[in-house]
Amino acid sequence: GQQVMQIPQYQHVQEGEDFTTYCNSSTTLSNIQWYKQRPGGHPVFLIQLVKSGEVKKQKRLTFQFGEAKKNSSLHITATQTTDVGTYFCAGKGGDSGAGSYQLTFGKGTKLSVIP
Amino acid sequence: GAVVSQHPSRVICKSGTSVKIECRSLDFQATTMFWYRQFPKQSLMLMATSNEGSKATYEQGVEKDKFLINHASLTLSTLTVTSAHPEDSSFYICSARVGTVLSNQPQHFGDGTRLSIL
Repeated sequence: GQQVMQIPQYQHVQEGEDFTTYCNSSTTLSNIQWYKQRPGGHPVFLIQLVKSGEVKKQKRLTFQFGEAKKNSSLHITATQTTDVGTYFCAGKGGDSGAGSYQLTFGKGTKLSVIP
Repeated sequence: GAVVSQHPSRVICKSGTSVKIECRSLDFQATTMFWYRQFPKQSLMLMATSNEGSKATYEQGVEKDKFLINHASLTLSTLTVTSAHPEDSSFYICSARVGTVLSNQPQHFGDGTRLSIL
């Protein structure tokens, strides 16, 4: 079945440093979504990427979808303590098979920001 | 907008007890609701997908007789863990979405339920 791998599992950065998490799928995706889960909280939707090679920005966050629609990345510029949390990517299958409607979550990258 | 309320937030009960968890979409109609299980420091594992008025679709390895899902209305889905045992202890979280299973709309998550079986 469809697998979504996310690295790194953990990342500790000094406040002000940049941060990147990477997501790779074993199959082509129709779209990819990113969520953020604060400690003790629930996942909150950040963004969705649909087009091959798409790049979207939200303030200091930059999201990319690979040309082959099998990988994605989230980059945070100049991290702040408010960026702390676990970032999950979630991919939706691109074929017409059973996985085409499922959203498969990566294991997440837990970001710690040292003030 | 797009608020999902999940109750209870925490349950501690004895082995053999059945526990019901409610998931409500407060300000939108959720055609599709999802139930996840999250282990410590792990990702969200999809347990089942439910559409209003129809039977839930369970993921492989999830016992449908153990985890009963009811999606009786467009704003409410319930998960009942029947005859719960210590191995069922986990964090259960629901999400709701507008549209069918093919929809690309984002999922809106509840706050989760921490279930502890003694």
